[in-house]
Amino acid sequence: GQQLNQSPQSMFIQEGEDVSMNCTSSSIFNTWLWYKQDPGEGPVLLIALYKAGELTSNGRLTAQFGITRKDSFLNISASIPSDVGIYFCAGFANTNAGKSTFGDGTTLTVKP
Amino acid sequence: NAGVMQNPRHLVRRRGQEARLRCSPMKGHSHVYWYRQLPEEGLKFMVYLQKENIIDESGMPKERFSAEFPKEGPSILRIQQVVRGDSAAYFCASSPRTTYEQYFGPGTRLTVT
Repeated sequence: GQQLNQSPQSMFIQEGEDVSMNCTSSSIFNTWLWYKQDPGEGPVLLIALYKAGELTSNGRLTAQFGITRKDSFLNISASIPSDVGIYFCAGFANTNAGKSTFGDGTTLTVKP
Repeated sequence: NAGVMQNPRHLVRRRGQEARLRCSPMKGHSHVYWYRQLPEEGLKFMVYLQKENIIDESGMPKERFSAEFPKEGPSILRIQQVVRGDSAAYFCASSPRTTYEQYFGPGTRLTVT
């Protein structure tokens, strides 16, 4: 089946620093989503990407859909303590609308 | 506008019992998705349903697991004769149509003793 490799697995950064994380796949995806999950809660959608090469921002978050359609990147600028959580990428292949493949997450810790 | 609701939030079952997990989608949403999450892992797709129809159940274990989304009432994920390996967080998501943007509930944490 399709698999996503998400890296890094965890990050420990200082408040104010920028953060980058990415997902790669051996398969092509036609849609990429990025979610944030707080402990004990469900994931919350941050950014959706629909076209190869697309660059989309949501406040301090910026995500890109890789040209090859096999990867995606999420950047967080000027991190703050409330950015702490687990970030997941999810990919959708066009033929399976509704069915997604999730990465294993990047755990972000922000030190004040 | 209420979000996706799941209950119970925590469920403890002994081995061999049945677990029934309920999901009420957001108002106006007719598509429901179930996922399972093990500790320190991502979400694994289980099943995608529309009202009274199973669209894709390719992620569901072939035995003991079933899901339904009736015309009236919540979607139900049913696990029969639970085993310790079924212990996980089960999340439900909903969408208003076949769209990639799904809205998640808070999850049900199942513990099998």
